[in-house]
Amino acid sequence: GEDVEQSLFLSVREGDSSVINCTYTDSSSTYLYWYKQEPGAGLQLLTYIFSNMDMKQDQRLTVLLNKKDKHLSLRIADTQTGDSAIYFCAETRVGQLTFGSGTQLTVLP
Amino acid sequence: DVKVTQSSRYLVKRTGEKVFLECVQDMDHENMFWYRQDPGLGLRLIYFSYDVKMKEKGDIPEGYSVSREKKERFSLILESASTNQTSMYLCASRTSGDDTQYFGPGTRLTVL
Repeated sequence: GEDVEQSLFLSVREGDSSVINCTYTDSSSTYLYWYKQEPGAGLQLLTYIFSNMDMKQDQRLTVLLNKKDKHLSLRIADTQTGDSAIYFCAETRVGQLTFGSGTQLTVLP
Repeated sequence: DVKVTQSSRYLVKRTGEKVFLECVQDMDHENMFWYRQDPGLGLRLIYFSYDVKMKEKGDIPEGYSVSREKKERFSLILESASTNQTSMYLCASRTSGDDTQYFGPGTRLTVL
């Protein structure tokens, strides 16, 4: 298909790990991105990974990239209530970003 | 830090009104974008501009136009607002040679 796909909802307990998954379509994408959107706000760049990497770690965030399956994931360790937000993955396509529909992460106390 | 600002956070307009949404960036970025965001649909590209006075249609340009008279400013125009244009509108910018886009805080537009 032509869409970047994500599941719409994810709930986790505070302190657990969250894993948000994404499948993309363009194997020539140079970068793949994760953006975070808090309620009522714009999108904030969270992290990105270059397409020749398999993994990138940044504090509590781990990005895994499986180019063969065109699968991208974002793992948030020790999830906190402040991590509750919508998370968008995006691929580069012809110089533009194509976004998934976003995953609403809810962190339960 | 890149700063992208949008003229209004919330806007309420009536059907048939002409609506202007303004976006300003302070990082001398060549490329600017307008998206709309609807629940379950993610972000959809309306228009983008890669230079002053240049514009390109995105995926859903119908009912919208844009203006880029200065490099730092990109305006989205709804010539005659309709209720199906009620949405969150997001502006973004990036420099040429870097795919990373930086977003403004968004304008939530309600058309009654």
